[in-house]
Amino acid sequence: GDSVTQMEGPVTLSEEAFLTINCTYTATGYPSLFWYVQYPGEGLQLLLKATKADDKGSNKGFEATYRKETTSFHLEKGSVQVSDSAVYFCALGLYGNNRLAFGKGNQVVVIP
Amino acid sequence: ETGVTQTPRHLVMGMTNKKSLKCEQHLGHNAMYWYKQSAKKPLELMFVYNFKEQTENNSVPSRFSPECPNSSHLFLHLHTLQPEDSALYLCASSQEGRVSGATDTQYFGPGTRLTVL
Repeated sequence: GDSVTQMEGPVTLSEEAFLTINCTYTATGYPSLFWYVQYPGEGLQLLLKATKADDKGSNKGFEATYRKETTSFHLEKGSVQVSDSAVYFCALGLYGNNRLAFGKGNQVVVIP
Repeated sequence: ETGVTQTPRHLVMGMTNKKSLKCEQHLGHNAMYWYKQSAKKPLELMFVYNFKEQTENNSVPSRFSPECPNSSHLFLHLHTLQPEDSALYLCASSQEGRVSGATDTQYFGPGTRLTVL
């Protein structure tokens, strides 16, 4: 079935470091791809999205490019801040279907 | 108020209690969702409502009973729950049926943290 896979384990890094969180997907059809972020004690918020191959989503310094050839949508940020500490979820939505399939999420901890 | 709101934010209940979770969306959307978020597990879709009609029930036990009286309100009625039902319950909404066909963004509420004793 349609699914997304995120890299295992939490990510701990220092302030101003470069962040990458890997996300790969399996889907039939033409999925839209999303990154959601969940700050402590809150619900999920849309961080960015891309709806077709080669699209780049960006927001708050985060970027992800929809790569059809590698079925990937990796999240990157050039210089993280302590306030970026959160759980990040990759999600897939099928064309014509508003259901989302979520990855397991990655806890990101940024140390001052 | 804007966005998606959920009440209560925290709930502790015994296994014999009956309680309800409430969700309200102020975005003019026509689809609403209940998700369960447990530790160490992916987000689980429980129920989907489109235009107040339930369109999906992902094998959820009958001790969870959803209700959608209109397109802005969604309830989750709880009775005789088990300790393993303790989790964060998230409500979301979206606008379905756009011409483009691409999946629309789902907007989430802050969740209700449920503890079953």
